[in-house]
Amino acid sequence: DAGVTQSPTHLIKTRGQQVTLRCSPKSGHDTVSWYQQALGQGPQFIFQYYEEEERQRGNFPDRFSGHQFPNYSSELNVNALLLGDSALYLCASSANRGITLHFGNGTRLTVT
Amino acid sequence: AQSVSQHNHHVILSEAASLELGCNYSYGGTVNLFWYVQYPGQHLQLLLKYFSGDPLVKGIKGFEAEFIKSKFSFNLRKPSVQWSDTAEYFCAVNADRGSTLGRLYFGRGTQLTVWP
Repeated sequence: DAGVTQSPTHLIKTRGQQVTLRCSPKSGHDTVSWYQQALGQGPQFIFQYYEEEERQRGNFPDRFSGHQFPNYSSELNVNALLLGDSALYLCASSANRGITLHFGNGTRLTVT
Repeated sequence: AQSVSQHNHHVILSEAASLELGCNYSYGGTVNLFWYVQYPGQHLQLLLKYFSGDPLVKGIKGFEAEFIKSKFSFNLRKPSVQWSDTAEYFCAVNADRGSTLGRLYFGRGTQLTVWP
């Protein structure tokens, strides 16, 4: 059991569409980070949410946005999808902005 | 920006062989270091971490890693691998201050295949 749950597990979208991915953190965790893992690469940091605010952001365009809810769950939104957005999107949670991360199984996004 | 290099992309070993996976990073300040493992079909799991203190860190499943500050390295080792160690291994680095606080930088991973 990952503790961190992500939905959906797989998603197929067309270029130009928008997508929303969801994450529930491990019990007791209040910080959620999102990572993108392209095929054959390591995860790349997208952003981190804590206290319902974006606290840090990686080198991703504004098409990538997020939200954190009062129950600490989080959403990742990607607008105007490009073929290059095809990847595994990982959610990771931690306590109090800690860096010991617990990862979910990820959402596999395919853009056609 | 920080970067993490894992020089071995695919390592193939027989059971009982010894393992060493290399990890080098580029950051001159104080770092926190991690090794994560991803078994087939499973989520990334923490193997071990180094924040401070003894540079030889022991993790789960018999793995250990050594932090060598002068070499900017954090190599993962296991004296005798098992078939069940077949997985992808990721090294990750975090700077303990500044604008990248809370962000992990990952290497591209090393796929380990262990033959029974």
